[in-house]
Amino acid sequence: DAGVIQSPRHEVTEMGQEVTLRCKPISGHNSLFWYRQTMMRGLELLIYFNNNVPIDDSGMPEDRFSAKMPNASFSTLKIQPSEPRDSAVYFCASSFGDISAQYFGPGTRLTVT
Amino acid sequence: DAKTTQPNSMESNEEEPVHLPCNHSTISGTDYIHWYRQLPSQGPEYVIHGLTSNVNNRMASLAIAEDRKSSTLILHRATLRDAAVYYCILREGNTPLVFGKGTRLSVIA
Repeated sequence: DAGVIQSPRHEVTEMGQEVTLRCKPISGHNSLFWYRQTMMRGLELLIYFNNNVPIDDSGMPEDRFSAKMPNASFSTLKIQPSEPRDSAVYFCASSFGDISAQYFGPGTRLTVT
Repeated sequence: DAKTTQPNSMESNEEEPVHLPCNHSTISGTDYIHWYRQLPSQGPEYVIHGLTSNVNNRMASLAIAEDRKSSTLILHRATLRDAAVYYCILREGNTPLVFGKGTRLSVIA
């Protein structure tokens, strides 16, 4: 299995631009999680889905952030408009069933100038 | 709120065992103890998890205190590739992981 796939791996954009991060979970997994990592705040959950349905989006910073999971094999995290404080590494993870391990992708390093 | 307490950093010599402690005095009966690690420039990686009994897998062993208020992750022979930040996390069911600051493990050749 290829593992969790994220694209792009690196994104540099200017403030005010729209940014879309993509994630393909491991085939057969039914839960998908978006996390963000910064030096100041560490790793924190943004949103997670069970069976393509958003369960908890309380970690989404503000209305500029939105996430979708149109099917079991694809999810997007969109930031519009982007701001310099959004610069971070964004990780996607997937899992199957209760108490199971979460498998993380390699992350997308976002830099907003 | 931090539910686990770990030392900020630890150091080990290569090929020696490493014991990484974690305190979780407010653990509930349904919380599983999970360990993840994050190597430099990579995403977190699952290591091991347990509920009450000690657990072993190819990566590590997890020793859980009888009262479940603490646990220890054991790497039997540390290698340079084990240098990472190790996170001890309490988790109930298929819920998101709540990461603390973890323990930064340095391995000396």
